[in-house]
Amino acid sequence: AQSVTQLDSHVSVSEGTPVLLRCNYSSSYSPSLFWYVQHPNKGLQLLLKYTSAATLVKGINGFEAEFKKSETSFHLTKPSAHMSDAAEYFCVVTRPGGYSTLTFGKGTMLLVSP
Amino acid sequence: NAGVTQTPKFRVLKTGQSMTLLCAQDMNHEYMYWYRQDPGMGLRLIHYSVGEGTTAKGEVPDGYNVSRLKKQNFLLGLESAAPSQTSVYFCASSNRGTGGSYEQYFGPGTRLTVT
Repeated sequence: AQSVTQLDSHVSVSEGTPVLLRCNYSSSYSPSLFWYVQHPNKGLQLLLKYTSAATLVKGINGFEAEFKKSETSFHLTKPSAHMSDAAEYFCVVTRPGGYSTLTFGKGTMLLVSP
Repeated sequence: NAGVTQTPKFRVLKTGQSMTLLCAQDMNHEYMYWYRQDPGMGLRLIHYSVGEGTTAKGEVPDGYNVSRLKKQNFLLGLESAAPSQTSVYFCASSNRGTGGSYEQYFGPGTRLTVT
């Protein structure tokens, strides 16, 4: 069984300040983890993925996430927010290898003010 | 490469009407999926397919049927639409990636309203 909890439904930051979107997961095996981003009225785009290699994962647009097994967390960060980062972000967990369905968190809406 | 495409983009149905949503992918992916997205719920899997001619139920399959007659297409049908099926529907496809994991590629979505 697997589940994912995004700890904040909304996060507000000012442009140029750091971004932190929090995600905790639950899994009975070593999971694969993803962050997807959805801009308004668009489909989902993969930001980054963790697949049991390096625990610090770098993604597109300056985002990165760190897998912490002891804390069962996979938080998404960015040093400096840009207006174009305003979107909804989804943390996703799945079982690596073979086929397995994805389990999505409920999403965190990132609001960026000038 | 068009990636994953969905038709139509928008649709309004009356209760009891039927319709089919079409998903097409040109990446030669084995796996295809249909999700629905509702506010505050994330994405929930309706049905999926691990290959041509095969389908399986996801988390919320009731009221929907699917078919995968060709590898590149995955159809989602609503036989008798209900207001509870008002949602945004996303199709996705994937193959197994490196390291045993994979990522799903999403279409742009279909916004369906049932009145």
